[in-house]
Amino acid sequence: AQSVTQLGSHVSVSEGALVLLRCNYSSSVPPYLFWYVQYPNQGLQLLLKYTSAATLVKGINDFEAEFKKSETSFHLTKPSAHMSDAAEYFCAVSEDYKLSFGAGTTVTVRA
Amino acid sequence: NAGVMQNPRHLVRRRGQEARLRCSPMKGHSHVYWYRQLPEEGLKFMVYLQKENIIDESGMPKERFSAEFPKEGPSILRIQQVVRGDSAAYFCASSPGTSGNTGELFFGEGSRLTVL
Repeated sequence: AQSVTQLGSHVSVSEGALVLLRCNYSSSVPPYLFWYVQYPNQGLQLLLKYTSAATLVKGINDFEAEFKKSETSFHLTKPSAHMSDAAEYFCAVSEDYKLSFGAGTTVTVRA
Repeated sequence: NAGVMQNPRHLVRRRGQEARLRCSPMKGHSHVYWYRQLPEEGLKFMVYLQKENIIDESGMPKERFSAEFPKEGPSILRIQQVVRGDSAAYFCASSPGTSGNTGELFFGEGSRLTVL
């Protein structure tokens, strides 16, 4: 079974600083990988997805993630944090139609 | 709003009562998925349905939980004789089918069940 592990349940960054959220996956086949964002009391919104095309994937709101097969990683980055980025972020891997989610990383942004 | 619609957004039940959660998929989507999010945890797959068919219910508890997606109307997740451990956010997602195999799902805003 495929799975993902998110390193760090909470990340705090200053406004304007780099955001780095870590995700490692376990998969026996080339995976489809996703990052979703969840704002308080809302559903999940897709940030970006990797489907075996380019290894550097650009998403919405200036987020991007790099697929590194040698490290089995799919870390999410944003060069400059905004206050509006405060939310919970989930990494997920797809196995057919099922998504397996990591436990999530809560991001707080300090003014 | 053409997104996935869930209702109620918040539901409070006493132990032993029944909870019914509804989900209308995005227009043009025929595949529905239910996920459960327990406090401080990620989302866990519960069930995958197409119209009038349960495709995969491997994530559903064997007792008290059931799901359906009738030919007409929304998908329903039903929890009978609720217990405190059922308190969670229940998310519905949909896909058009062709993107389903790549895993891209479109999520609703969730139904938050509180069991007293």
